[in-house]
Amino acid sequence: DIQMTQSPSSLSASVGDRVTITCRASQSISNSLNWYQQRPGKAPKLLLYGASRLQSGVPSRFSGSGSGTDFTLTISSLQPEDFATYYCQQSHSSPQWTFGQGTRVDVK
Amino acid sequence: QVQLVESGGGVVQPGGSLRLSCEASGLTFSSYGMYWVRQAPGKGLDWVTFIQYDGNDKYYTDSVKGRFSVSRDNSKSTLYLQMNRLRVEDTAVYYCAKEHEYANAWGADHWGQGVLVIVSS
Repeated sequence: DIQMTQSPSSLSASVGDRVTITCRASQSISNSLNWYQQRPGKAPKLLLYGASRLQSGVPSRFSGSGSGTDFTLTISSLQPEDFATYYCQQSHSSPQWTFGQGTRVDVK
Repeated sequence: QVQLVESGGGVVQPGGSLRLSCEASGLTFSSYGMYWVRQAPGKGLDWVTFIQYDGNDKYYTDSVKGRFSVSRDNSKSTLYLQMNRLRVEDTAVYYCAKEHEYANAWGADHWGQGVLVIVSS
């Protein structure tokens, strides 16, 4: 099974900050990596797919990079609505997914 | 506009059964594979099962194999999850989700609001 490890598990940031979240796969998954945002009490929302492709309707301050085993989600300028938990998800073994454990972004 | 609405959750005793439904609208339901993903209270997301667009292929996470069964009725645009022999550790919010418009490998681009299942004596 492919394991996904996110870091950090949580971080504190201020509005306007640049935020970076890392996701590492236990084996190469090419670019089969997707990122989701989940606000408290809400369903996950797809932000990026294929490691770097922005899902329709998602603000351009979100970006992704990486390939193989190491991936990054970057929020260029954190906005109030971005305080949430972020999950990476591998789809290399699709349709059998694995999610990272999540990274909570809260207010500093 | 795509909408996925889950129902059927509730409280059930260990060993009991429950059937979840996910009614879809705003899309050609029969064209897309569908997922169930769950989230235990305060925990992360866990993939549970996937069913192909025509219902012919199904996949399950190991912990639910032999206990859960996914199905769909394309004439009713509805996805189901039959959960038998429920365990305390099945307690979670269950989400249905639609495979990405472009490819299955690109995750799920629409999710339902989730339905809570509590397994407790």
